[in-house]
Amino acid sequence: DIQMTQSPSSLSASVGDRVTITCQASQDISNYLNWYQQKPGKAPKLLIYDASNLETGVPSRFSGSGSGTDFTFTISSLQPEDIATYYCQQYDNLLSLTFGGGTKVEIK
Amino acid sequence: EVQLVQSGAEVKKPGESLKISCKGSGYSFTSYWIGWVRQMPGKGLEWMGIIYPGDSDTRYSPSFQGQVTISADKSISTAYLQWSSLKASDTAMYYCARLVPDIAIIDYWGQGTLVTVSS
Repeated sequence: DIQMTQSPSSLSASVGDRVTITCQASQDISNYLNWYQQKPGKAPKLLIYDASNLETGVPSRFSGSGSGTDFTFTISSLQPEDIATYYCQQYDNLLSLTFGGGTKVEIK
Repeated sequence: EVQLVQSGAEVKKPGESLKISCKGSGYSFTSYWIGWVRQMPGKGLEWMGIIYPGDSDTRYSPSFQGQVTISADKSISTAYLQWSSLKASDTAMYYCARLVPDIAIIDYWGQGTLVTVSS
């Protein structure tokens, strides 16, 4: 099974800061990497698919990059409503998915 | 509007059986894979398995093979997750999720079903 190592596990930043989260796959997954946001008490929500494509309706301050084994998720200017836990998710085929461990983002 | 509506919270004792449900609406239920995701208290997301309601093709994550059963009734657009003998460690929130055809992108989620197993 492909393992996903996500870091950091938590971070604290100020409103307006640039926030970066990384995800590393244990083997090459091309660009089969998605990012989700989960707010407390809610189901996750898709933000970025195929490493760098912004889901419809998602603010442009969210972005993703990378391919192969190393991926990055960025919030260009942190807003109070971005407080959540963020997860990467890989799929090496339709029937084999793995989530990263999550990154909890808090406001300093 | 696409919706996945899950059954309500459950409180069970160890050893009891349970079947929770996920009803899809607003789309062709038989044309999309439905998956199940576990989230233990204060923990991350874990992929459990997936079913294609069109032909009931079902696959399990190795960690959950033999521990749960995933099924679907396409006549009522509903997928199920069931346990034959619950353990305290099954206490978690369970989400159903719809996958975009041919790729494992989860575009819609159910609201979650909280399962509490306690003696």
